[in-house]
Amino acid sequence: NAGVTQTPKFRVLKTGQSMTLLCAQDMNHEYMYWYRQDPGMGLRLIHYSVGEGTTAKGEVPDGYNVSRLKKQNFLLGLESAAPSQTSVYFCASRTDRGNQPQHFGDGTRLSIL
Amino acid sequence: AQRVTQPEKLLSVFKGAPVELKCNYSYSGSPELFWYVQYSRQRLQLLLRHISRESIKGFTADLNKGETSFHLKKPFAQEEDSAMYYCALRNSGYSTLTFGKGTMLLVSP
Repeated sequence: NAGVTQTPKFRVLKTGQSMTLLCAQDMNHEYMYWYRQDPGMGLRLIHYSVGEGTTAKGEVPDGYNVSRLKKQNFLLGLESAAPSQTSVYFCASRTDRGNQPQHFGDGTRLSIL
Repeated sequence: AQRVTQPEKLLSVFKGAPVELKCNYSYSGSPELFWYVQYSRQRLQLLLRHISRESIKGFTADLNKGETSFHLKKPFAQEEDSAMYYCALRNSGYSTLTFGKGTMLLVSP
């Protein structure tokens, strides 16, 4: 039982390049989330999903797109990377039953030059 | 609007000293609050939540609705407690969380 797995762990991009971050969970959770973590800003929600085929905007969605084609996977895309998107990205998932906490992945450290 | 405030960016104490990490919230409904901990360059882990009224690693937190606070306390800090601590408020609807900006706790020997 791996929990929440994020790939890649590190990546360096040039401005304007595109990439996709993958989040996979093996806990059969309905809810999945993408956050970015920046110094002095805490964690801010980018997008989230309440089930396969559904997505919704969080606090800072601009410049990002997401897809939830399979229940276990939640993809975060950067179509045209900008230096302001340099950050550590965390994925999380949660069951929809009861007052359960979110489970986090190890994070992806992304640098945009 | 929902908001979580952690007024201290950094809290530095000596080993064995008491610790209190402050968290205040703004929420119109019945709040559900959590404390998450992040050790150096690791994933966030749930430390405790107010509905469980539990003590994890010697930490406790009591929800004070009158003061809208959920401060995290430990009577005797240990060096291994050094980490970033986040207070989080569950939002209504689809269980998103609003996080505070975090407090870095440094425990010196």
